[in-house]
Amino acid sequence: QKEVEQNSGPLSVPEGAIASLNCTYSDRGSQSFFWYRQYSGKSPELIMSIYSNGDKEDGRFTAQLNKASQYVSLLIRDSQPSDSATYLCAVNRDDKIIFGKGTRLHILP
Amino acid sequence: SAVISQKPSRDICQRGTSLTIQCQVDSQVTMMFWYRQQPGQSLTLIATANQGSEATYESGFVIDKFPISRPNLTFSTLTVSNMSPEDSSIYLCSVVPIRNTEAFFGQGTRLTVV
Repeated sequence: QKEVEQNSGPLSVPEGAIASLNCTYSDRGSQSFFWYRQYSGKSPELIMSIYSNGDKEDGRFTAQLNKASQYVSLLIRDSQPSDSATYLCAVNRDDKIIFGKGTRLHILP
Repeated sequence: SAVISQKPSRDICQRGTSLTIQCQVDSQVTMMFWYRQQPGQSLTLIATANQGSEATYESGFVIDKFPISRPNLTFSTLTVSNMSPEDSSIYLCSVVPIRNTEAFFGQGTRLTVV
């Protein structure tokens, strides 16, 4: 089992709708979880971090964490064409940041 | 966050040669990492750069091929040695600032080996 798993997509979402991105992880000892956005040809940029069970909201973004199910998600409300990118889920494991393969998100105008 | 300067931004190199990539941060950081991202792929951790001691390499990566230095809390280098076309990739420096758990990335180095 891969340490961090994501559906590679592409995920197509109409503009203005909610985009839902999902991630599962294998190490129950992981305590820190992150979502990064990566535009083509650019380096990853941090969107959200989450450390405890439940929801964390920041503007149009909401991260959700369920440690019992080893599941992390990212919701993007009111999706915009500029949200089209690859979204990388990452987990801190033994002081290393391990990344999933990423989900390509395409917002349809 | 931290301001991370990674050099060079891109290079085209002959096979059999070596390239050293530099990562300079504007503030002290606890952790520094080097990743590789091959075209269309996600980030693969090469190693953790340890200040004043040998780097900690991930499975599949060895010091002879990817020697790493970290002489202080703000600077690290990654060398890609004896390059082959398979080493063509983007190499990324990542740092975790002091009193932080979040990692931030440099601009990356796009390496093409011909």
